[in-house]
Amino acid sequence: DVKVTQSSRYLVKRTGEKVFLECVQDMDHENMFWYRQDPGLGLRLIYFSYDVKMKEKGDIPEGYSVSREKKERFSLILESASTNQTSMYLCASLQGGGSKVAKNIQYFGAGTRLSVL
Amino acid sequence: RKEVEQDPGPFNVPEGATVAFNCTYSNSASQSFFWYRQDCRKEPKLLMSVYSSGNEDGRFTAQLNRASQYISLLIRDSKLSDSATYLCVVNAGAGGTSYGKLTFGQGTILTVHP
Repeated sequence: DVKVTQSSRYLVKRTGEKVFLECVQDMDHENMFWYRQDPGLGLRLIYFSYDVKMKEKGDIPEGYSVSREKKERFSLILESASTNQTSMYLCASLQGGGSKVAKNIQYFGAGTRLSVL
Repeated sequence: RKEVEQDPGPFNVPEGATVAFNCTYSNSASQSFFWYRQDCRKEPKLLMSVYSSGNEDGRFTAQLNRASQYISLLIRDSKLSDSATYLCVVNAGAGGTSYGKLTFGQGTILTVHP
């Protein structure tokens, strides 16, 4: 079974703090993703990475950065946390494979619920 | 207009009922389509892929209408354990790094009661 592990289930931080959210997958997947999920808005893509040291902006990258130094680890960084970044953060890893459908099956971590006070 | 739109519900149905969810997408170049399920306070998990010819997995049937740009999910003989949020998911990627870049609908909440 694919395992995507997020380092924390719950985090409480203060405005202005630098926050690191860590994600590790154990299936040698090339593609990894960070989303945030908010009521009424669904999942929105923040950043994704399709290889080590490669990253691309998603739909809402402002206020965030990412790091992919090793294939199995994808970190989301909030340089200076703000209250509007209070949210559920979900990391996902992509199965890949030979078929077009298989390339699009994402496996999610359990999520990190971040509160910024 | 949102790229992927769903009726957020909630849908409240009795056990044994048949319930249908619809989803529309705006990008006619979209390539792949999925339904994910998300239980309360849990992560989304793939329920089923959606193929042009329609596909069935037990009590679940998914349909795709490319001309009208909508996707449907039908659940027959609802169980209490079907209570969850159902997410409509679309990939518009045509290749390269766009593979795997998915757009999620906001989800439809289903509650099945005894």
